[in-house]
Amino acid sequence: EAGVAQSPRYKIIEKRQSVAFWCNPISGHATLYWYQQILGQGPKLLIQFQNNGVVDDSQLPKDRFSAERLKGVDSTLKIQPAKLEDSAVYLCASSSRPGQGGSEAFFGQGTRLTVV
Amino acid sequence: AQKITQTQPGMFVQEKEAVTLDCTYDTSDQSYGLFWYKQPSSGEMIFLIYQGSYDEQNATEGRYSLNFQKARKSANLVISASQLGDSAMYFCAMREEGNNDMRFGAGTRLTVKP
Repeated sequence: EAGVAQSPRYKIIEKRQSVAFWCNPISGHATLYWYQQILGQGPKLLIQFQNNGVVDDSQLPKDRFSAERLKGVDSTLKIQPAKLEDSAVYLCASSSRPGQGGSEAFFGQGTRLTVV
Repeated sequence: AQKITQTQPGMFVQEKEAVTLDCTYDTSDQSYGLFWYKQPSSGEMIFLIYQGSYDEQNATEGRYSLNFQKARKSANLVISASQLGDSAMYFCAMREEGNNDMRFGAGTRLTVKP
């Protein structure tokens, strides 16, 4: 079974530029999460999709961040314009059976963003 | 809002000894799941163990066990017979069945000494 795929692995941009991250979840997984992990901290949930609908985006800075999951499969996370404090690893995860026991989230390798 | 607390920023353990990593949580939901993940220096998040709020038995997976005390809202991870490869960050997470989002604690950095 293929895992969660993310690209790019690394990205360096200047502040005020825009950037986009892509995620392909495990086939058949209805739930997709985007997390932001700042160095030395735990992952912070940015947005959760159930199929192609948003379930929770309460911690997404909507003035600069946006995300979509067209057709309920792949997802993109965009930052525009980027700030220095957006430097972090962006993790994508997917889960097959939200709300039921044992349905752990599977994570991709992450995209390390550096804003200079 | 749910909250996960890991009070130990760093822990040391001697190789082959057991170690307990603490996790407390706060939720008003009756149905929820608790998870532990390992994050080595390579950055990947590796699922270790799961405990459901209605499970009466503590979960075990190989050398990992979860000490679940529902009344105290704690879900501590116990690693037995520590190995050098266990050195990593460990994160506790919770998902409430009502909203399904998975939230993480700040993590504990475990270092296994030879």
